[in-house]
Amino acid sequence: NAGVTQTPKFQVLKTGQSMTLQCAQDMNHEYMSWYRQDPGMGLRLIHYSVGAGITDQGEVPNGYNVSRSTTEDFPLRLLSAAPSQTSVYFCASSYSDRVLRTEAFFGQGTRLTVV
Amino acid sequence: KQEVTQIPAALSVPEGENLVLNCSFTDSAIYNLQWFRQDPGKGLTSLLLIQSSQREQTSGRLNASLDKSSGRSTLYIAASQPGDSATYLCAVSPRGTGFQKLVFGTGTRLLVSP
Repeated sequence: NAGVTQTPKFQVLKTGQSMTLQCAQDMNHEYMSWYRQDPGMGLRLIHYSVGAGITDQGEVPNGYNVSRSTTEDFPLRLLSAAPSQTSVYFCASSYSDRVLRTEAFFGQGTRLTVV
Repeated sequence: KQEVTQIPAALSVPEGENLVLNCSFTDSAIYNLQWFRQDPGKGLTSLLLIQSSQREQTSGRLNASLDKSSGRSTLYIAASQPGDSATYLCAVSPRGTGFQKLVFGTGTRLLVSP
């Protein structure tokens, strides 16, 4: 019963490096999202996807890129890492039924430090 | 812009006590409200989901209520246990922006001492 799987769990980057955070879900959910969690600020939406091939920006998209080629996978790319991107990143997937009941499921997070 | 506030930011209680965590939101136009639990260094675990048409949901010792008109939700934990120690987050799914786009509060950190 995997649910939402994120890799890696921890990562240290140097300023200017790029990397991809991986997210995969096995629940056949249409919707996937990336959030970052910073102390005192709660979780904030970075990018989201409503289905394969469709992505859009959230509240804090600058410096990040996403794509959704399959229903299962939703990778998050850091183009040129900056210390301000030090954070914990969470991937989520969700579904919606006919009465718009929607429930989100989260991965275990990736703790990223940019030095 | 929807904003979600959780009070108190931290709460410490002795084991066995009943407690209430509060969540307020500024715009009553929501699809759902969801309560999560987060253990240190871990991900979010969904506890309860309340649709906008519902007043409350229950799961075991947990009961969540929703008063959409006043923009408030409460999470009631009965007979608290040390294993309940965690951070509790509430999140709303605002209408008009896409129901999958959650807006989170900053959480209540709960410590239940034996």
